[in-house]
Amino acid sequence: AQKVTQAQTEISVVEKEDVTLDCVYETRDTTYYLFWYKQPPSGELVFLIRRNSFDEQNEISGRYSWNFQKSTSSFNFTITASQVVDSAVYFCALTLVLNNAGNMLTFGGGTRLMVKP
Amino acid sequence: EADIYQTPRYLVIGTGKKITLECSQTMGHDKMYWYQQDPGMELHLIHYSYGVNSTEKGDLSSESTVSRIRTEHFPLTLESARPSHTSQYLCASSEWVSDQPQHFGDGTRLSIL
Repeated sequence: AQKVTQAQTEISVVEKEDVTLDCVYETRDTTYYLFWYKQPPSGELVFLIRRNSFDEQNEISGRYSWNFQKSTSSFNFTITASQVVDSAVYFCALTLVLNNAGNMLTFGGGTRLMVKP
Repeated sequence: EADIYQTPRYLVIGTGKKITLECSQTMGHDKMYWYQQDPGMELHLIHYSYGVNSTEKGDLSSESTVSRIRTEHFPLTLESARPSHTSQYLCASSEWVSDQPQHFGDGTRLSIL
C-alpha cells in the first residue's frame, strides 16, 4: 500500500519569508506520479503540479519550486517570498501508473500554511 | 479552469432527512470520485466510478450511496442524515490515464443538526 506523509501539520511565516513544505512517500512500485494541490479557505482543491517517477528534474514556476528526490522518497514544495494569498492547506498526493483503477490518489494529511502580513 | 460543479455549496439540515449532493462535470471525464474531508483536513476517498453504471467503494467506509447513470453526473445520497455525517464532501473527476490530475469541485459543507 502507498503512503504519503506531510509531517508539518501547520506552518506560520511572515510575508516575504521563504517556506518549504515537506512530503515523503512510500510505495513499492517504480512507476508513479506525484501531485501537489492547494486548498484555499474557499474549499476547492487546486492542482499545482504533477511529476512522474522517472523525471527527477526540479521545477520552478514563478515563486513556486519543487524538489523531487527519489533517493529519499521526497517531493518538497518551496514558496519563495511568500504572500498572504499563499495561505492555504497544501496536499501532496501519489498515484500508481500501473494501478488499473488509475488516478487513485493517496493523499498526505495536508500542511496548513499561514502567511502573516 | 476545471468544469466541475457541486451543489449545494452549504447545507444545514436536521437529523433523519434524506440528502442528495449533486456533482456534475462537463469535461467528458470517465472517472469520478467523492471524498470526505474531516475538520482536521484529511481527505478520504468514499466512492469512485470508472464510467456509466460503475460505482465502487473507497478506502473509508461510508453510509452514503452513489449512482452513475450519465457520464457527467455523479450524485451522492444519504438516506437518513445523522450528525456524524457532518463534514465537507468534495467531488472530483479525471481522464482515464494515470498521469492526469483529478479536477475538484468547490465542495459541499454539510452540517447535520
